[in-house]
Amino acid sequence: GQNIDQPTEMTATEGAIVQINCTYQTSGFNGLFWYQQHAGEAPTFLSYNVLDGLEEKGRFSSFLSRSKGYSYLLLKELQMKDSASYLCAVRNPGGGGNKLTFGTGTQLKVEL
Amino acid sequence: DTAVSQTPKYLVTQMGNDKSIKCEQNLGHDTMYWYKQDSKKFLKIMFSYNNKELIINETVPNRFSPKSPDKAHLNLHINSLELGDSAVYFCASSQAGLAGDHLSGELFFGEGSRLTVL
Repeated sequence: GQNIDQPTEMTATEGAIVQINCTYQTSGFNGLFWYQQHAGEAPTFLSYNVLDGLEEKGRFSSFLSRSKGYSYLLLKELQMKDSASYLCAVRNPGGGGNKLTFGTGTQLKVEL
Repeated sequence: DTAVSQTPKYLVTQMGNDKSIKCEQNLGHDTMYWYKQDSKKFLKIMFSYNNKELIINETVPNRFSPKSPDKAHLNLHINSLELGDSAVYFCASSQAGLAGDHLSGELFFGEGSRLTVL
């Protein structure tokens, strides 16, 4: 089966750093994605990790440890517009194609 | 210019009716998907087509029938709508839909179609 866990909600202050964790237990693994979804909008791609380590992209970084089934998304210099839901998703090689299984998302609220 | 477009954006209908949602992508991707996002914001895959061929079919009632006339289009028809079908349905597409490759294969989502069944 597939199990992806992330906190439901987080609150942080503008200008601060926040780390959103994701743990997964899946029957196969072929990469982990982070998506951002603003209310009423489509999810948009943020990052992709398939090997262990840190991937940095501007203010956003994502880390993966395959042996621990663990990833985190790090957001630096938080801005109000970063208030959104952050979805962790694991790609499964089984079942054909490019199947992504999503976690339930972490609702991040950035406050002044 | 829109990469993945789906219509309609909003759909309000009565229980028991049949409705369709259409999706088109102009990214040249080989693989298209339908995802359902419920009221708790949980995003779950329903179907995936690769070059018009069905490759993923999750446990979805057979009232839901996808159709892919060509690799740029994937439509979703729903028969005998039920209250529990109320959700946002997202179409998505990706490249490199083959298992085992290490390309990102990120999903590009449409804006969503909010279905409300009364």
